[in-house]
Amino acid sequence: QSVLTQPPSVSAAPGQKVTISCSGSNSNIGDNYVSWYQQVPGTAPKLLIYDNNKRPSGIPDRFSGSKSGTSATLGITGLQTGDEADYYCETWDSSLSAVVFGGGTKLTVL
Amino acid sequence: QVQLVESGGGVVQPGRSLRLSCAASGFTFRSYGMVWVRQAPGKGLEWVALIWDDGSNKYYADSVKGRFTVSRDNSKDTLYLQMDILRAEDTAMYYCATIRGGSSATWYFELWGRGTLVTVSS
Repeated sequence: QSVLTQPPSVSAAPGQKVTISCSGSNSNIGDNYVSWYQQVPGTAPKLLIYDNNKRPSGIPDRFSGSKSGTSATLGITGLQTGDEADYYCETWDSSLSAVVFGGGTKLTVL
Repeated sequence: QVQLVESGGGVVQPGRSLRLSCAASGFTFRSYGMVWVRQAPGKGLEWVALIWDDGSNKYYADSVKGRFTVSRDNSKDTLYLQMDILRAEDTAMYYCATIRGGSSATWYFELWGRGTLVTVSS
């Protein structure tokens, strides 16, 4: 059971938009910044979003992040088949003194 | 070339030990905190351990506390994970990554290695 809760899967058609939610509590998302990672099966995770809504160099602006209270959201617009991957949210939990990840969400582009 | 390369994985019997290494190149290793993250077959990401840039502070997941030890040698640009009293549930791909961000509230993991596979089985 992950400290951060994500939907197991989401799906949408190419060109459409999808959002992935990440729900936590006051001691993690409510108190700290959220990051998002993309993992294509068989490869290492890749940083997608940091500081709730910032994109590293090279990440297209089709990817966006937001945070409100104890929840965070990853948005992906203009879906491409190459976006099919697992997506994970992550933050620090101040009560646990631990890094916490969401359980991951599998994105299928139909 | 900026990269992290993990090594040291393999098949080990329950109760035995293994030491993983993560070799850094192309950047100033001593300026970065480092983290170990693992992924069991077919499962999600699980944080394992974290060490500050100078090695002065370390944090561990409850699942490995007392059994795993994270360390680093900044003169060799290398991160280590000493894994003792291994269990079947430690079977996973182990990744190392660099930490960015000025405090725990802002930490994120920027550069990742490709991972090394650890299998604990009799």
